[in-house]
Amino acid sequence: DIQMTQSPSTLSASVGDRVTITCRASQTISSWLAWYQQKPGRAPKLLIYKVSNLENGVPSRFSGSGSGTEFTLSISSLQPDDFATYYCQQYSINPWTFGQGTLVDIK
Amino acid sequence: QLQLQESGPGLVKPSETLSLTCTVSGYSISSPPYYWAWIRQPPGKGLEWTATIHYDGSTYYNPSLKSRITISLDKSKNQFALKLNSVTAADTAVYYCARRVLGMAYFDFWGRGILVTVSS
Repeated sequence: DIQMTQSPSTLSASVGDRVTITCRASQTISSWLAWYQQKPGRAPKLLIYKVSNLENGVPSRFSGSGSGTEFTLSISSLQPDDFATYYCQQYSINPWTFGQGTLVDIK
Repeated sequence: QLQLQESGPGLVKPSETLSLTCTVSGYSISSPPYYWAWIRQPPGKGLEWTATIHYDGSTYYNPSLKSRITISLDKSKNQFALKLNSVTAADTAVYYCARRVLGMAYFDFWGRGILVTVSS
């Protein structure tokens, strides 16, 4: 299985900060990477697919980049609604696997 | 508007079979081009894809569960189902049903999830 490793595990930030989360794959996954946001007690919400494509309705402050084995999710100016856990997911090779999550909390 | 709703027992005994149903409204699961999937999340942990079924009935399983798991469609009820045999405490999780797009295996729409606890 492809292992997805996110860093950091927890990120403390303030409203207005720019934040970046990294996701590394144990082998190349080309551009087959998605990002999800999950709030407590809620289902994950798709933010980005194929590395950098924003899902409909996702604010433009979210962006994704990378290729091969290293990817990033950035939030240009953190908003109160963005405090959540973020997961990356590879869909290059079955079984599709997720990172362990990055919690973005209030500093 | 698309809605996915999980249902089933919230408590299952060890060694028994976990059975869940996802009722889809706002879209016919008999119609292309989507796939339908189950993803689970143990309490306080990350996400694990378990199984996917195509509208034509083709199935795909996580190899770690393949010997114990079955996904199926009930087109007459616009539902799809998950069965997991011989459960243990490690199968305790929130189970989400979700929609997968054609051609790329990410999940663009999710149900709210159902907590299933395996305990005697």
